[in-house]
Amino acid sequence: GAVVSQHPSWVICKSGTSVKIECRSLDFQATTMFWYRQFPKQSLMLMATSNEGSKATYEQGVEKDKFLINHASLTLSTLTVTSAHPEDSSFYICSARGGRSSDEQFFGPGTRLTVL
Amino acid sequence: GQNIDQPTEMTATEGAIVQINCTYQTSGFNGLFWYQQHAGEAPTFLSYNVLDGLEEKGRFSSFLSRSKGYSYLLLKELQMKDSASYLCAVNKRGSTLGRLYFGRGTQLTVWP
Repeated sequence: GAVVSQHPSWVICKSGTSVKIECRSLDFQATTMFWYRQFPKQSLMLMATSNEGSKATYEQGVEKDKFLINHASLTLSTLTVTSAHPEDSSFYICSARGGRSSDEQFFGPGTRLTVL
Repeated sequence: GQNIDQPTEMTATEGAIVQINCTYQTSGFNGLFWYQQHAGEAPTFLSYNVLDGLEEKGRFSSFLSRSKGYSYLLLKELQMKDSASYLCAVNKRGSTLGRLYFGRGTQLTVWP
């Protein structure tokens, strides 16, 4: 199957700082990328959807000014958590769509964010 | 929401068979995914059902009834490594961005 990578795999930061997470599709061009957040023992919650070269579509309740998404190319999307606070600590997972099977999403390995 | 419902937890013993159910209520249904997720890892694809019926893939099978809004994932010859969370996710027709709607996940524990 198609491969999606995320970097970093984990990050610890101080409250008030910004953190950037990268999501890359390694062997296919991703027309659409999705960003999810997952709290312990809960399911994936979609935060936003981004198409290459256009603005991201945010889910209700997700602050677009706090979670900045850039999808600059067909293989790279970034999520920046600005002015992070402890409640932003979570597991952030990206997925990419656009491989051979247009319905399937391929998930990255996730990024564990801990805000102190 | 899309009213996707699945049991929160299930337990079974090694070598047994377990069936994880998922019901949904949504307009424009296009298909249903099953993913497996181990703690601290990303989900991995198990199956995708678009048409009614049973699809078998090794020890795992997935069933879909579109008229009943119902799917199940069947795991045979359970192994300890099958202990994980199993997520069903609905794909909607007309959703040009391919958005998936996830259930809460079923945490399966396999005992020796």
